[in-house]
Formats: sequence, structure tokens, C-alpha cells
Amino acid sequence: DAMVIQNPRYQVTQFGKPVTLSCSQTLNHNVMYWYQQKSSQAPKLLFHYYDKDFNNEADTPDNFQSRRPNTSFCFLDIRSPGLGDTAMYLCATSRDHGYIDYYGYTFGSGTRLTVV
Amino acid sequence: DAKTTQPNSMESNEEEPVHLPCNHSTISGTDYIHWYRQLPSQGPEYVIHGLTSNVNNRMASLAIAEDRKSSTLILHRATLRDAAVYYCILLSNFGNEKLTFGTGTRLTIIP
Repeated sequence: DAMVIQNPRYQVTQFGKPVTLSCSQTLNHNVMYWYQQKSSQAPKLLFHYYDKDFNNEADTPDNFQSRRPNTSFCFLDIRSPGLGDTAMYLCATSRDHGYIDYYGYTFGSGTRLTVV
Repeated sequence: DAKTTQPNSMESNEEEPVHLPCNHSTISGTDYIHWYRQLPSQGPEYVIHGLTSNVNNRMASLAIAEDRKSSTLILHRATLRDAAVYYCILLSNFGNEKLTFGTGTRLTIIP
């Protein structure tokens, strides 16, 4: 089945130690997104790629970076994680921004990151 | 951005219909109404979307008020697996708006 896969499912990292989360998709979708979801809160968009075009949200901290080396893969890099970065990180894809053949966003199961 | 208002939580009995309301009084003519749900420990999943007419799919039905200022997601026969947080979200079909989640409704299904 076509899907969005996030690895690892759980990640523990030390305060200040860089960490990378990965996302892959078999849907061949143009757009890939990264969301952060803290405990008991709604998901919050960090940034997205439209093809190779990177789009940052205005309030995303500089500590968070992303890479998309090809259509299928996208990475979230946290350069110096703080305790407040403990959260679920969700990757999502969509075919495009418009509504032609719209099937919604497809989300992965998330990576639960704990910073200790 | 147009906003939505949903009850924080709802309960329903298993095997009964569930009606989840959403108010969006400032909706614009280009806004589509989307519903997503998030099961425990999972990413959100797309449920349904519509513009003006009522919509049905295998998961649910979406009833949209004539003035479009409110909508209702209908689960025809709730099961325990429908226990989730349900998000009602407006997205314009112009520009590059992204899916922005509000607080949603936490639905509990009572066996």
C-alpha cells in the first residue's frame, strides 16, 4: 500500500545533541510537511516542501531545519534540542495545493521524540 | 484565516449515529470544509471534505448548512474504533493555505 513512513517510531536524545528524523513516501506527492504535536495539543505546522521549494512557517524556531533530497524522502533536523522540543513529529504529504484529484493530506504515524 | 468552533468533547454509545458539529460563521466563498480525525498514538487521517453540497463517503457524511456557517460530520454507526479527536478545518481553494488544526472534538465511544 502506498503510504508515508516515519522512522524511528520513538527517539530519545540528549539535551543539545543534534537529531534527525526521517520520512519517506511512496505516493509520489509533490508536497511534504512537518508538524510538531506536543502533549494534549493540536499538530502545528513547522514547514513544508513544494517539490524542492522550502517554505518555513514564520514562528518556526531556527533550531529546526529540513532537507528533501528527492521526491520520496524528507528529513527534519533539530540542531540543538531543548527539553521543550519533546513532542510527536508528524510528516504528511499532499498531491498538490489545489483541489484537482484531492485526496487530502496523508500523515505518517509520527516519531515520538523525547529530549532528556 | 477563517476559524472554526467545535465542542471540546462528546460521548456516544456504540452502534449509534454520532453528529459532530462545527461552527464557521466567518467562512468565505472559497473555503472548503475539511474533517480529519486522529486516533490515539496515530497521525491524523482525512475523513471528508465539501464546499456547499452534502457529501458522503465510506467513512462518514458531511452535512453543510445552506448558509455554510456550520456543518456536521455524521458517523452513521459508531464503533469503538471511531474514538478519536475530530478536527474541522477550513481551507481555501486559492493560494497556498496549509492544513491548520484547531483544538478539535474528542469523541468517546461508550460500549
